[in-house]
Amino acid sequence: DVQLAESGGGLVQPGGSLRLSCAASGFTISNYWMGWVRQAPGKGLEWVANIKQDGSEKYYVDSVKGRFTISRDNAENSLFLQMNRLRAEDTAVYYCVRWQYISGWYSIDPWGQGTLVTVSS
Amino acid sequence: QTVVTQEPSFSVSPGETVTLTCGLSSGSVSTRNHPSWYQQTPGRAPRTLIYGTNIRSSGVPDRFSGSMLGDKAALTITGAQADDDSDYYCLLYVGSGIWVFGGGTKLTVL
Repeated sequence: DVQLAESGGGLVQPGGSLRLSCAASGFTISNYWMGWVRQAPGKGLEWVANIKQDGSEKYYVDSVKGRFTISRDNAENSLFLQMNRLRAEDTAVYYCVRWQYISGWYSIDPWGQGTLVTVSS
Repeated sequence: QTVVTQEPSFSVSPGETVTLTCGLSSGSVSTRNHPSWYQQTPGRAPRTLIYGTNIRSSGVPDRFSGSMLGDKAALTITGAQADDDSDYYCLLYVGSGIWVFGGGTKLTVL
């Protein structure tokens, strides 16, 4: 069964740091682009970052550039998101996602269950 | 900054057909944007419905279909059921490695 399990969320003060982890099972992440999507309380989905299979390419939404770093450990079948200089507006559920590529089309599948990050003093 | 547009809300009666759309502030949506659609119920992770404009994900009922409608991507639910009462999001590739979700459509079936 293909699954993604996030961990590392919690309460952090503004300006602080947090590292999210995502453990994949049922497939080998080295074959896939991976990413993070977040959802602020009561708001819509926002794509945050993607990383290529070998880590050679990384892309970010403008609002997190320079503060967040996506990385992966293919040997451990895990994905990470290092979040620095956190702001109140980063408060959200963070979903770990796999990018599937089928018949020439990219989409997200599956999604993890999410981990809540709360930035507050 | 590219904005992906969706209707904020829709209300339908059970058995009716509804079409949700997904547009781009910068112009027309095309298949090059890799349109995909996701369903989310409160408190749960999203579920993938449609990718590649019109390909149903595994296990998705055939009452869900995707298409291009003019300059927008579209999701049609034919014969809406109570279980379809959810939020629906489209996702588009806008170039240079960047992806953008629409603001979501809250569909009420009653």
